[in-house]
Amino acid sequence: EIVLTQSPDFQSVTPKEKVTITCRASQSIGSSLHWYQQKPDQSPKLLIKYASQSISGVPSRFSGSGSGTDFTLTINSLEAEDAATYYCHQSSSLPFTFGPGTKVDIK
Amino acid sequence: EVQLVESGGGLVQPGGSLRLSCSASGFTFSSYAMHWVRQAPGKGLEYVSAISSNGGSTYYADSVKGRFTISRDNSKNTLYLQMSSLRAEDTAVYYCVKDGSPGYYSYFDYWGQGTLVTVSS
Repeated sequence: EIVLTQSPDFQSVTPKEKVTITCRASQSIGSSLHWYQQKPDQSPKLLIKYASQSISGVPSRFSGSGSGTDFTLTINSLEAEDAATYYCHQSSSLPFTFGPGTKVDIK
Repeated sequence: EVQLVESGGGLVQPGGSLRLSCSASGFTFSSYAMHWVRQAPGKGLEYVSAISSNGGSTYYADSVKGRFTISRDNSKNTLYLQMSSLRAEDTAVYYCVKDGSPGYYSYFDYWGQGTLVTVSS
């Protein structure tokens, strides 16, 4: 099973600040890494697919990068509505796995 | 507009059974693999099960293998999860999830609102 680790676990950020979340895979997964945002009491929402591909309707301040084992989700100029938990997910091999999540709080 | 509506959750005693349903609309259901993902209260996301677009291939996480059965009825645009021998650790919100790519497993582009399953005596 491919294990995904995320850092940090928690981040408290002021609006307009840049946020960087990392996801590391226990083995190479190419670009089969996707990012989701989950706000309190809501279902997860797809933000980025295949490491860096944008999703229609997702604000351009969200971007992704990386390949192999190391990936990054960047939120440029954080807005209050971005308070959420962010998860990475690999679809390289079954069982599909998720990272433990990174909670982003607004100061 | 893609919609995934789960139903069937509730309170069940340990050892009991429950069947979840997910009614899908807004896309060609028979062209996409579907998944179940769960989230225990206050915890992260856990992958549960997958089924191919034609239902011919299924996958289960070790934690549910032998107890849960995933199925689909493409004529009714409905996904199912039959859960038996339920344990307290199965308590979670269960999400019905649509795969993003036709024909194979990839990212998850749409999620249902979830249905809560509580296993308790």
